[in-house]
Amino acid sequence: GAVVSQHPSWVICKSGTSVKIECRSLDFQATTMFWYRQFPKQSLMLMATSNEGSKATYEQGVEKDKFLINHASLTLSTLTVTSAHPEDSSFYICSARDLGHYNEQFFGPGTRLTVL
Amino acid sequence: EDQVTQSPEALRLQEGESSSLNCSYTVSGLRGLFWYRQDPGKGPEFLFTLYSAGEEKEKERLKATLTKKESFLHITAPKPEDSATYLCAVQASYNQGGKLIFGQGTELSVKP
Repeated sequence: GAVVSQHPSWVICKSGTSVKIECRSLDFQATTMFWYRQFPKQSLMLMATSNEGSKATYEQGVEKDKFLINHASLTLSTLTVTSAHPEDSSFYICSARDLGHYNEQFFGPGTRLTVL
Repeated sequence: EDQVTQSPEALRLQEGESSSLNCSYTVSGLRGLFWYRQDPGKGPEFLFTLYSAGEEKEKERLKATLTKKESFLHITAPKPEDSATYLCAVQASYNQGGKLIFGQGTELSVKP
């Protein structure tokens, strides 16, 4: 149980294009999902908190117009990187909060984004 | 300010050599402390949640303990497949949204 999937697992795009990453909780409902970014040899950096049916809450320094988050259902959240540039290249990971398991968070496998 | 510090940054062990990883935290009321394992190029894998001082949890060769200021992840007789980065995170009681504050991680390498 408590499986979170992400799609795609990796993506390469040209500078200026937009990329959408999906995060799904497969066997539980997640009213809250989180989006993280991770640089090589560093820990996870929280970008935003996504609540089903409402606007995402962004961490300080994260551009909400560049990183669009939509949480349209209890099992799906999407992160769209708009007008991507090489500096947006990173490992993006989502997590889902399982209220049925004492607030534990389960992470997806991550998406490697490379912007050329 | 809420903070999580993990030590050491890197740990090299021989197979069978037991050791401990430390996670020191400062938080305004602890809702929960979480341990994750992360392999290169993958998302973190949930290991344990601890909620109150004195609590202990075990899974195979791993045992997590919690005090009011720190948590330890004890690894007994490690095997090469235990090599990974171990992440510690805390959730503050005032944070109803569930936000986690992560430490920098301990990179564990177990040599055969």
